[in-house]
Amino acid sequence: AQSVTQLDSHVSVSEGTPVLLRCNYSSSYSPSLFWYVQHPNKGLQLLLKYTSAATLVKGINGFEAEFKKSETSFHLTKPSAHMSDAAEYFCVVSDAPGGYQKVTFGTGTKLQVIP
Amino acid sequence: EAQVTQNPRYLITVTGKKLTVTCSQNMNHEYMSWYRQDPGLGLRQIYYSMNVEVTDKGDVPEGYKVSRKEKRNFPLILESPSPNQTSLYFCASSPIGPHTEAFFGQGTRLTVV
Repeated sequence: AQSVTQLDSHVSVSEGTPVLLRCNYSSSYSPSLFWYVQHPNKGLQLLLKYTSAATLVKGINGFEAEFKKSETSFHLTKPSAHMSDAAEYFCVVSDAPGGYQKVTFGTGTKLQVIP
Repeated sequence: EAQVTQNPRYLITVTGKKLTVTCSQNMNHEYMSWYRQDPGLGLRQIYYSMNVEVTDKGDVPEGYKVSRKEKRNFPLILESPSPNQTSLYFCASSPIGPHTEAFFGQGTRLTVV
């Protein structure tokens, strides 16, 4: 069975300071991992994905994440937060038990950016 | 424009009255799925479909049905809605499988009274 744990439900940072959103996963297979962002009253947009290529993944809007198999982590980072980054972020794991591919979302982290 | 279209966007209904939420994609994607989003719980997968006539249960399938008669459409059916199905619902599609990027609809906010 697969699972995802987002370690913080809320994160608050000042504009211009680094962002760290933490995600741990569990999977019996070789998982694909994703980060999605949801702005208020909007749908979801892909930030970045890991699919067994480079362990450091770069995404849109300056975000990146590092896949660490030994720590089963896939933390999302950004060097300098902007006001427009305020949103909810979801870590997602996907694997293929028995050939059927399931998707599991974390419970989300709400990022607040303080001016 | 490539997109996933859900209808309706908002729906208020009464307990027990059958309803269908439609989902259509124009990207020729094989994989489609439905999620519900509840505060503090993130998105939970209800059903997914690997291709036409191939569907399987996600993590929270109870009280829901789906069908995949055409590649582009994946309707979600609530045969007898109950108040605990009040939620925000998202449909998504992706090519080949969920290890590729998923494209999400704008969501359907359902209230069952």
